[in-house]
Amino acid sequence: GESVGLHLPTLSVQEGDNSIINCAYSNSASDYFIWYKQESGKGPQFIIDIRSNMDKRQGQRVTVLLNKTVKHLSLQIAATQPGDSAVYFCAEILSGGYNKLIFGAGTRLAVHP
Amino acid sequence: EPEVTQTPSHQVTQMGQEVILRCVPISNHLYFYWYRQILGQKVEFLVSFYNNEISEKSEIFDDQFSVERPDGSNFTLKIRSTKLEDSAMYFCASSAGRRGDQPQHFGDGTRLSIL
Repeated sequence: GESVGLHLPTLSVQEGDNSIINCAYSNSASDYFIWYKQESGKGPQFIIDIRSNMDKRQGQRVTVLLNKTVKHLSLQIAATQPGDSAVYFCAEILSGGYNKLIFGAGTRLAVHP
Repeated sequence: EPEVTQTPSHQVTQMGQEVILRCVPISNHLYFYWYRQILGQKVEFLVSFYNNEISEKSEIFDDQFSVERPDGSNFTLKIRSTKLEDSAMYFCASSAGRRGDQPQHFGDGTRLSIL
């Protein structure tokens, strides 16, 4: 069925450390996986995406890893900063669809000085 | 940087009343979406809209919901007779295309409170 979920509801890290946020999905027929960041009182903000035929993609301070064998997606944030504190959602887009995003439950990242 | 704007930021309505949520998508985008987020829960897809018609809708988007692009800039979501369970954050999004690498950009939402 259509299901995207997250392992950890809350992640606390020290400023400067690397953060890893994980996501499990159950649908094999997904074209793209996307990470969004949602700050309090704001809408989801696009961070990075990865196509299903890739296993790694890097952006500025962020890396997304996709393991299709175990249906697992992760977001790595290097040198985490206080401004990274937010809720992070993974989302998937099924192939052949109209770009409908299917969101996971979200992980709250708390960065401590 | 262009952004999606939504009004009002907070709407309080009596149960049974009609409500219209408004959105101005990014100007050169062609695909428009509504999502909702009940407090503490994940974001849920409601509807996608392209070329002046609905391209996909979820089970949530029943006959009480409708969308419209009344002019070249606005995109609206109407709930005809609101219910208590319609209380949520409603997000509008837009994208340049429907490919996965043409990301959806979200507004900051309208908080809808049904009394």
